[in-house]
Amino acid sequence: KAGVTQTPRYLIKTRGQQVTLSCSPISGHRSVSWYQQTPGQGLQFLFEYFSETQRNKGNFPGRFSGRQFSNSRSEMNVSTLELGDSALYLCASSLGPQGSEKLFFGSGTQLSVL
Amino acid sequence: SQQGEEDPQALSIQEGENATMNCSYKTSINNLQWYRQNSGRGLVHLILIRSNEREKHSGRLRVTLDTSKKSSSLLITASRAADTASYFCATASTSGTYKYIFGTGTRLKVLA
Repeated sequence: KAGVTQTPRYLIKTRGQQVTLSCSPISGHRSVSWYQQTPGQGLQFLFEYFSETQRNKGNFPGRFSGRQFSNSRSEMNVSTLELGDSALYLCASSLGPQGSEKLFFGSGTQLSVL
Repeated sequence: SQQGEEDPQALSIQEGENATMNCSYKTSINNLQWYRQNSGRGLVHLILIRSNEREKHSGRLRVTLDTSKKSSSLLITASRAADTASYFCATASTSGTYKYIFGTGTRLKVLA
């Protein structure tokens, strides 16, 4: 069974641009969560989607948004990029909604904002 | 603020020694998980312990949970150079909508 796939692996953007990151969960998994990881802040929860509905949201500005498709694939969008958005963005999938299931992580997308 | 906080932030030991790292959290939890992350990669699930369990083993890993102290510990016995990684605890609160909150991690370095 294929693992969680995130694309692209690396991304370089400039301030003010927007970016879309993609995550394909493990087959059969219906929950997809996104985390931002920076050296100073550790892993910060962005949001979780379950069966195409946003189930949970972290404390991030509205520039961060996401969606989930009927095949459970998810995309995350960041508009009007800022230097502070440079981070490793991790996607995790699980069979059921977060709370009682273990998470399976992708390798992440390393975003650099110049 | 983070739900889980790992301690110590960094740990350096010799191969063959045991490594112990701790996690403290703030609210009542449904379960607690430990993950490992190799440099710049995704996290890998190690072990899940439920709130009604006190100890769990998996290979060279031993996890304890003390809900009265709101703390957990991860013990890696007979460490190997390949255990060099960052270790995170993740907790899901019993209040509100469950979501896993991760601590800032313990960076473990095992010297050969």
